[in-house]
Amino acid sequence: AQSVTQLDSQVPVFEEAPVELRCNYSSSVSVYLFWYVQYPNQGLQLLLKYLSGSTLVKGINGFEAEFNKSQTSFHLRKPSVHISDTAEYFCAVSDGNTDKLIFGTGTRLQVFP
Amino acid sequence: KAGVTQTPRYLIKTRGQQVTLSCSPISGHRSVSWYQQTPGQGLQFLFEYFSETQRNKGNFPGRFSGRQFSNSRSEMNVSTLELGDSALYLCASSLASLAGTNVLAKNIQYFGAGTRLSVL
Repeated sequence: AQSVTQLDSQVPVFEEAPVELRCNYSSSVSVYLFWYVQYPNQGLQLLLKYLSGSTLVKGINGFEAEFNKSQTSFHLRKPSVHISDTAEYFCAVSDGNTDKLIFGTGTRLQVFP
Repeated sequence: KAGVTQTPRYLIKTRGQQVTLSCSPISGHRSVSWYQQTPGQGLQFLFEYFSETQRNKGNFPGRFSGRQFSNSRSEMNVSTLELGDSALYLCASSLASLAGTNVLAKNIQYFGAGTRLSVL
């Protein structure tokens, strides 16, 4: 069975500071990994994905993530955050055979001025 | 290209009633999945439909059901509503592919804005 652990439920950070949101997964098969962002009263927006190839993936809004198979991690990073990055971030995994996504519990990123 | 459209955006029902939620996928997408989001349980997979067939199902009681039409639009139904069914219901669509084939980008899911259901 697959599972996803997001180690931090909340991450407070000041504007223009770097941030890392942690995600670890567990799976007995090859996985596809995703980060989604959810703004208040909205659905989920895809930030970035790892399907294959380069382990460093770049997404929208200046975010990037690195797939580390030995550490079973897929941490999300941004070198300089903005107030507008305040949102809930979800890490998710799928086995690629179907569309079923297993989500982590989410990390609330709060950016302060 | 229009995104995933969910209707209605908000619903208020009372215990014991039933409800039907609708989802129109992105044009050309063949798979539709449904998720329930609650503060206590987070995001949980309900079911996935591909070419009008349920391909995968989560751990929800039989009161939760769905279907997909030939144009890929999907509906989910919850019967005999309980207070605990209050949640944000999210629909996602993807190009999808047959299981076991080369998937790569085909399984990337795009989400709608959701339907917020309140059960009183």
